Amino acid sequence: IAGITQAPTSQILAAGRRMTLRCTQDMRHNAMYWYRQDLGLGLRLIHYSNTAGTTGKGEVPDGYSVSRANTDDFPLTLASAVPSQTSVYFCASSDSWGRGVNEQFFGPGTRLTVL
Amino acid sequence: QKEVEQNSGPLSVPEGAIASLNCTYSDRVSQSFFWYRQYSGKSPELIMSIYSNGDKEDGRFTAQLNKASQYVSLLIRDSQPSDSATYLCAGIDSNTGNQFYFGTGTSLTVIP
Repeated sequence: IAGITQAPTSQILAAGRRMTLRCTQDMRHNAMYWYRQDLGLGLRLIHYSNTAGTTGKGEVPDGYSVSRANTDDFPLTLASAVPSQTSVYFCASSDSWGRGVNEQFFGPGTRLTVL
Repeated sequence: QKEVEQNSGPLSVPEGAIASLNCTYSDRVSQSFFWYRQYSGKSPELIMSIYSNGDKEDGRFTAQLNKASQYVSLLIRDSQPSDSATYLCAGIDSNTGNQFYFGTGTSLTVIP
């Protein structure tokens, strides 16, 4: 693995179903992020984690949950999917302890369609 | 009002010309900025970062930061068709120090 991987690449999901999007990084970055990208709205932060064991809410957290059991993995769960969660989801990571200003690097994305 | 604002375009320039992409930001955004390029169907990739007032050059790319005007720009010299993409401006939340605010992106087309 080099960088950030996401799975699945794409998924069609029935409304009401539970879904977990996976994200793994091998750069030993402390911080990880989940974004959704929608046409005309740009990238919006869903949840973030500054370090393993901690998580926080971003701009659009409702309907999503995350966990950070270790440095490498940051799964995003939709407990009961709704059509408005149809989007492209990007995971990102950065090496930014405290108030560092290091760049975020992105995974390839997951295209999710909720019917 | 979004914390980081960009003109969505589309912006079209002829091959070899200078493309100028602009971004403004609010007081909630700190003085560290990043430019990402995103090809259609792909993920954003970092092309430039700028932390200090003034210009920063990297090959054909120049980032400019004007803190007094809360304005950041990206100039692409000798534009190539391969530069055709959406360019995202991002700044860091002043309170958290590591959460990004992204603009909605400017679509650039370089015409051969």
